[in-house]
Amino acid sequence: KAGVTQTPRYLIKTRGQQVTLSCSPISGHRSVSWYQQTPGQGLQFLFEYFSETQRNKGNFPGRFSGRQFSNSRSEMNVSTLELGDSALYLCASSLQGGETQYFGPGTRLLVL
Amino acid sequence: AQSVTQLGSHVSVSEGALVLLRCNYSSSVPPYLFWYVQYPNQGLQLLLKYTSAATLVKGINGFEAEFKKSETSFHLTKPSAHMSDAAEYFCAVSDLGRAAGNKLTFGGGTRVLVKP
Repeated sequence: KAGVTQTPRYLIKTRGQQVTLSCSPISGHRSVSWYQQTPGQGLQFLFEYFSETQRNKGNFPGRFSGRQFSNSRSEMNVSTLELGDSALYLCASSLQGGETQYFGPGTRLLVL
Repeated sequence: AQSVTQLGSHVSVSEGALVLLRCNYSSSVPPYLFWYVQYPNQGLQLLLKYTSAATLVKGINGFEAEFKKSETSFHLTKPSAHMSDAAEYFCAVSDLGRAAGNKLTFGGGTRVLVKP
């Protein structure tokens, strides 16, 4: 089976812009979670989607949003980008939730 | 709220020596515990997980971890370090049951350097 794929792998944006990141889970997986990784804050949970519904949410401002499509692919959007949003954004998928999550390679976002 | 503490942000070991990475957690319910490894410019790869079965968990690449409830610890060990073990290691906890979904809380990570 193909693993979790994320596109794009690298992205450069400027402050105030918005960005959309995409994640395709492992075939058959219905849960998709997003994490932000920064040197200062480490790995932090953003949100989880299951069956096109947000099931769990971390402590991030409303500028961070996501959605999941019927084929389980997921997108996350960050509006009004700030310098502090520069990070590696990781997507993870699992069958239904509560079991092992498999991570993608991440999208590295740089905000200038 | 659950939390994870990894003692030591950097660990240096000699090739062939024991690798010991410490992880302590707090959770109000029996947790699921995980160790992940991250190589440069890559995502996270699962090494092993504890889900309330055997307290000694064996993972990939010769790693194992022992769940000790009384100490709220889940330390990771490998008897003999290899150069390829140089990476960053993350301990994570989830106290959500299967029906509640996924929400991992990670420790700060431990970067392992292996000296020849």
